[in-house]
Amino acid sequence: QQKVQQSPESLIVPEGGMASLNCTFSDRNSQYFWWYRQHSGEGPKALMSIFSNGDKKEGRFTAHLNKASLYVSLHIKDSQPSDSALYFCAGMPNYNVLYFGSGTKLTVEP
Amino acid sequence: EAGVTQSPRYAVLQEGQAVSFWCDPISGHDTLYWYQQPRDQGPQLLVYFRDEAVIDNSQLPSDRFSAVRPKGTNSTLKIQSAKQGDTATYLCASSFLQPNQAPLFGEGTRLSVL
Repeated sequence: QQKVQQSPESLIVPEGGMASLNCTFSDRNSQYFWWYRQHSGEGPKALMSIFSNGDKKEGRFTAHLNKASLYVSLHIKDSQPSDSALYFCAGMPNYNVLYFGSGTKLTVEP
Repeated sequence: EAGVTQSPRYAVLQEGQAVSFWCDPISGHDTLYWYQQPRDQGPQLLVYFRDEAVIDNSQLPSDRFSAVRPKGTNSTLKIQSAKQGDTATYLCASSFLQPNQAPLFGEGTRLSVL
């Protein structure tokens, strides 16, 4: 089964700062990667996907994928207090099932 | 469009009691997943269905857990004889079987076993 290592466990950034989250995956069959965000008391919501090597930018969010290293990252620019949440990376081998990391708790301080 | 609906939102049990969780996926989604999320951890797959067929239930913790999706639409996850270690949020998600389709999650059922 896919193992997903996510770091850091928790992260505190000032409002307007940059947050950087990292993941590595164990299954070389993984081809599809997602970032999910979960606010307290809610279900996880898909933030963005990345399927090709390199960077993908959506607004303040930039995802990076290196398939050879099985490494993905998420960078949040100009962080806002509303970005405070649990963030999960997830990998999908052969568009089958998503396997999630353990999560990063992001706190953005005003 | 309605999202994934789960009920109940909360459940509190004594050890040894049974509980069922119900999920109504997004209309037309052929794939339905059940995940277990312990507090402050990532969701962990329990079982998933394509239409009414179980594709993988190897991660169900024990024979105390069972899941069905009889008509390929709604699904029920049941825990017989709950234990304190079952305390977690139980999440249902659904999707089409396509790689660019992110599974969409319900709000979950938060279970506490005393």
